Amino acid sequence: AQKITQTQPGMFVQEKEAVTLDCTYDTSDQSYGLFWYKQPSSGEMIFLIYQGSYDEQNATEGRYSLNFQKARKSANLVISASQLGDSAMYFCAMREGRRGATNKLIFGTGTLLAVQP
Amino acid sequence: KAGVTQTPRYLIKTRGQQVTLSCSPISGHRSVSWYQQTPGQGLQFLFEYFSETQRNKGNFPGRFSGRQFSNSRSEMNVSTLELGDSALYLCASSLEALRGTGELFFGEGSRLTVL
Repeated sequence: AQKITQTQPGMFVQEKEAVTLDCTYDTSDQSYGLFWYKQPSSGEMIFLIYQGSYDEQNATEGRYSLNFQKARKSANLVISASQLGDSAMYFCAMREGRRGATNKLIFGTGTLLAVQP
Repeated sequence: KAGVTQTPRYLIKTRGQQVTLSCSPISGHRSVSWYQQTPGQGLQFLFEYFSETQRNKGNFPGRFSGRQFSNSRSEMNVSTLELGDSALYLCASSLEALRGTGELFFGEGSRLTVL
């Protein structure tokens, strides 16, 4: 069954340091997409980065990069140069199937990141 | 451009009542999906609509229903409310395209409290 596992309920990081948030997934589908979302206390889910299962390069978006290891079924988020505004809940999510077929996302339980000055 | 708009943002109901939540997607987005977020169960998929048709449905009882209108706006309804329905209900829209990531754009949610 499709599943997303985030094993870090909470993490601390010093401002300007890099941090890695772990995510492993389980799927029998060959075509899938992996997402990371940030949820501040306001509640809105903010899209950060996407990795397609057939993408050979690791995705990068500014200070965010996704360490995609397909054989290990992991999709860790790396935030470089942490900022105080990065303090939030972070969710890893997976969409099975090709783009456009469905928008059903399976979410992990999230990691609460606290950036300390 | 305007983001996903959800109304109302906050509401309080009592057990047995019913509630309707509204979602206006980003202009041009024809896909709308709904998620329920609770401390105990996390984020769970409710259903999704594309061009007024329900394309997928999560594992929720029949008390949860939804629909999508011709202008892509969507509503979800919960009847005979239970205490466990207290949650943040998130709506997301997406631009259906074979290019790009197809990411979902979320609204700020409707926070429902059932007393």
